[in-house]
Amino acid sequence: DTAVSQTPKYLVTQMGNDKSIKCEQNLGHDTMYWYKQDSKKFLKIMFSYNNKELIINETVPNRFSPKSPDKAHLNLHINSLELGDSAVYFCASSKTSGRAGSYEQYFGPGTRLTVT
Amino acid sequence: SQQGEEDPQALSIQEGENATMNCSYKTSINNLQWYRQNSGRGLVHLILIRSNEREKHSGRLRVTLDTSKKSSSLLITASRAADTASYFCATDYSGYSTLTFGKGTMLLVSP
Repeated sequence: DTAVSQTPKYLVTQMGNDKSIKCEQNLGHDTMYWYKQDSKKFLKIMFSYNNKELIINETVPNRFSPKSPDKAHLNLHINSLELGDSAVYFCASSKTSGRAGSYEQYFGPGTRLTVT
Repeated sequence: SQQGEEDPQALSIQEGENATMNCSYKTSINNLQWYRQNSGRGLVHLILIRSNEREKHSGRLRVTLDTSKKSSSLLITASRAADTASYFCATDYSGYSTLTFGKGTMLLVSP
């Protein structure tokens, strides 16, 4: 009964390849996110989706394309992988922000991407 | 950058001692949240404090918020080896629809 799940947990691939990471949440949340955590543990928001619609798209290369087939899923596709894409990618979900601000976020276990 | 800053970057204590971590931020917030990350795992939400609150408790955790100083602190009392993790503050800035995470404090609790 995992709340937020991601697959795969580890991904090792060569430069130039295209890969996808899948994320699913069973919490009934309307908002989902993708974060990138670098080797120094700095966590940076990449995308935010609310009810399958893109809300936030931070300064991320357009090689990264999120896709939300339904509210429970937010997948991340990466084209033409580069060495600098190596990081841990986290999916998260939350209730939609209201007047009082945002709610707590629930994180997946992460996908460690290594580009060689 | 709107990123918050945790202090210290790393903290090493003995079991049973208290651990205090601080977070400073830059502009007005709706709320501030603290998360824990064990090595190789995802982040786990610990506590959320709203801008109109000054203190909040959850078990051995105590969080304070001083909006005049734009700072928050997380106190873990009677620490245990299992508390060893990285701790992040995340700010919900007014007018910005997602959280901004700090760089984290690495806490090591030795038995």
